[in-house]
Amino acid sequence: QKEVEQDPGPLSVPEGAIVSLNCTYSNSAFQYFMWYRQYSRKGPELLMYTYSSGNKEDGRFTAQVDKSSKYISLFIRDSQPSDSATYLCAMTGGYNKLIFGAGTRLAVHP
Amino acid sequence: GAVVSQHPSWVICKSGTSVKIECRSLDFQATTMFWYRQFPKQSLMLMATSNEGSKATYEQGVEKDKFLINHASLTLSTLTVTSAHPEDSSFYICSADTAGETYEQYFGPGTRLTVT
Repeated sequence: QKEVEQDPGPLSVPEGAIVSLNCTYSNSAFQYFMWYRQYSRKGPELLMYTYSSGNKEDGRFTAQVDKSSKYISLFIRDSQPSDSATYLCAMTGGYNKLIFGAGTRLAVHP
Repeated sequence: GAVVSQHPSWVICKSGTSVKIECRSLDFQATTMFWYRQFPKQSLMLMATSNEGSKATYEQGVEKDKFLINHASLTLSTLTVTSAHPEDSSFYICSADTAGETYEQYFGPGTRLTVT
């Protein structure tokens, strides 16, 4: 079993839809949770960073962490074609080593 | 936000030659830099962690004599792929953390290596 599970998709939604991206994990030591967006042939871009459980909002993006369920989510409101990318969850228990999910490919069509 | 650059962005080399990739943190000092490898439609695989002034720590299965890492300063780390072979063709990405108590890593734009 992988430490971090993420459905690779692809996920296709119409413009304006609410997108829900999720990851589950098995290591209860994880305390820091990140979401990265990666466009094709580019490096990942940090979108959201959350420590421990709770919600965090930044514009159209909301990150949720439920440590009791070992489940994290990223919601994108009013999705735009420019949101089309691969979204990677990542997490760590410390010492900076990130464990990545497989990445979910998202396509937002006009 | 923190900016990390990589050079070159794309390189083609012949089998048996060596290639050096640079990773720089432009507006912050990075105590730790990381090197990842990514195959098409796959996630990032950590190759090694490097700390300024000390030897890199390699992940299991990564040949340290083939992938030489040097972290000469707080803003520069280099990855040298020695005696490259076609199977080394991949997308190499570095990242740097901003130190402190957070674990945010900022990634470079990546280097696409093609070995012919």
